[in-house]
Amino acid sequence: DAGITQSPRHKVTETGTPVTLRCHQTENHRYMYWYRQDPGHGLRLIHYSYGVKDTDKGEVSDGYSVSRSKTEDFLLTLESATSSQTSVYFCAISARDSHYEQYFGPGTRLTVT
Amino acid sequence: DQQVKQNSPSLSVQEGRISILNCDYTNSMFDYFLWYKKYPAEGPTFLISISSIKDKNEDGRFTVFLNKSAKHLSLHIVPSQPGDSAVYFCAASNGGGKLTFGQGTILTVHP
Repeated sequence: DAGITQSPRHKVTETGTPVTLRCHQTENHRYMYWYRQDPGHGLRLIHYSYGVKDTDKGEVSDGYSVSRSKTEDFLLTLESATSSQTSVYFCAISARDSHYEQYFGPGTRLTVT
Repeated sequence: DQQVKQNSPSLSVQEGRISILNCDYTNSMFDYFLWYKKYPAEGPTFLISISSIKDKNEDGRFTVFLNKSAKHLSLHIVPSQPGDSAVYFCAASNGGGKLTFGQGTILTVHP
């Protein structure tokens, strides 16, 4: 199994509060991704990173920001959480020899009340 | 605009039979396709992939078929086992490593 951890695994927060989710990898992979999974939508890309301090927007980036100051850590921040951001969030890293095959962390279930 | 679609939300098969999961795409620029399997409360796990230069890729019980003219791919599982019960996602890439996922199909294999 790829060494990917996510923290926290579960979080309940109130509308309007800031929230930061962390993804940590021990594989030293260059590429990292944040997705959200919602019923009827599959997984949708929020932001991704090609390296330290090198990030870009995905399909559903509004309301989210990311940072990557170290190879092993990729942070996803909801500056002011809304109920529409209630979801399961997955971090992924690219495989060592192909950046198409991504390997996923266990997920963070976020509930915004 | 759903560029990758899995039109069957669920599929139920008997143990030992073949499971066929289908996926359609609209973007002709997609050049690499993948299938992921997901159990509840876990992250998706990579299952099998296929490049657009091929029409078939096989790995044990799993075979993926690609029909580029129809913009259709399918995953065959033979024989199906109860442990295969999970949600299956197809995904596609047009380069750069970004994946576009379908909505998923829930497979249930009955003993």
